Order: sequence, then C-alpha cells, then structure tokens
Amino acid sequence: DAGITQSPRHKVTETGTPVTLRCHQTENHRYMYWYRQDPGHGLRLIHYSYGVKDTDKGEVSDGYSVSRSKTEDFLLTLESATSSQTSVYFCAISLNSWGEHGYTFGSGTRLTVV
Amino acid sequence: KQEVTQIPAALSVPEGENLVLNCSFTDSAIYNLQWFRQDPGKGLTSLLLIQSSQREQTSGRLNASLDKSSGRSTLYIAASQPGDSATYLCAVLKETSGSRLTFGEGTQLTVNP
Repeated sequence: DAGITQSPRHKVTETGTPVTLRCHQTENHRYMYWYRQDPGHGLRLIHYSYGVKDTDKGEVSDGYSVSRSKTEDFLLTLESATSSQTSVYFCAISLNSWGEHGYTFGSGTRLTVV
Repeated sequence: KQEVTQIPAALSVPEGENLVLNCSFTDSAIYNLQWFRQDPGKGLTSLLLIQSSQREQTSGRLNASLDKSSGRSTLYIAASQPGDSATYLCAVLKETSGSRLTFGEGTQLTVNP
C-alpha cells in the first residue's frame, strides 16, 4: 500500500535473539499500531502510538517493546524471541483516535522463530 | 469488552451470484465500522468505511450497511467474480477503545468459475 511500508517482509530468527521490525509511513498520520495475526486468534493489537514518544500497550504486549522517535517510524522489538512469537505482524496507521479516514495497513512481516 | 462475530466463517458460491456477508458486534457505542479484504499471504486492503452516523456505503459492486442499534453490518457483493475470492474482515472502532480496532475472525469467500 502506498504510504506505509514494513521491513523486513520475511525474517527467520533463532530463539533468544532480539528482533526489530520497522514500520514507515509517509502520510503524516498521528496514530500507528502493531498487530499480530495468528490462525484461530485473528488480529490482535500489540502496541500503539499516539504521537512521537507516546506509546501504550495493547492486548498482547508481553515480550514486545516499541519506540517512536519520529512521526514516520514505529519500531517493534522482540527483546528475546520465542517460538510463540512466530506470526505475521502488521503495522497500521490512522489519522486520529476516532478513525476519521479509517485504518490503513501495511503488507506485513512474516516472522519465524526457530 | 467489544466482541465481533462474522458469519459464515466460509462461503463457496458460483460465479455471478449475489452474496451477503454478516458482521455483528456487542457494543453499539462505535465511531465506525470498516470492511477489509485479505488475500492469502497479503496485507489488509480497506474496502469500505462506515461512520456511526451513516447507514451505508457503496463502492462499485460492494455495498455495506450499518445498523448500530442492533449491532449489525452486512457486506453485499453483487455479481461475484473469481477475483473476489479472499477473506473478508470487519472491524469496529469502539468509542472507549482508545483508537483500538476490534476485528472479527473473517469470512473466507471462494467464488467458483
């Protein structure tokens, strides 16, 4: 999708190693989100940001941290990857908290922890 | 807690058929509801966004309705095509959610030529 890119697209990592996923947007949207998608669980919110240096936890935040030093970048870090964190990770953006123009999602990062 | 349910979980139809996908939610205090499409191994593509003050939205062969009081939305697809095969997700933005979308599990649609 134009305006929001995720990197890397695919990654295989070993248990116990740190991993950082990047989300970059060119829309100047205030809100950014990290979701994970797993069979049987659907999409679940990990963390979100409502401005530079302003972040909050979602429903499945354990084992993850985030940082947002610039409006356009939102980083998701797995401090010590575990097999349960094997998943597809999606970044999303929205203009404001009431979803005036809805959410836009990135193409996803497929992470495998072996 | 807001819960979103989509029925049916899977649907297989012949090409050309008109079809309806259903989404229900438990808390009617929402800002909006958004329908997405997801192709296998891909991201989510927004199809239609309905604000809480609206009753329906249309885009091409797609029409989405919203009945906030009963906690229901439908996505109507006219004259279905094989290219419509995908998983369709609905998501609601609850007023007290702090901007967090709540998703249904999706309906997997297959349109057979």
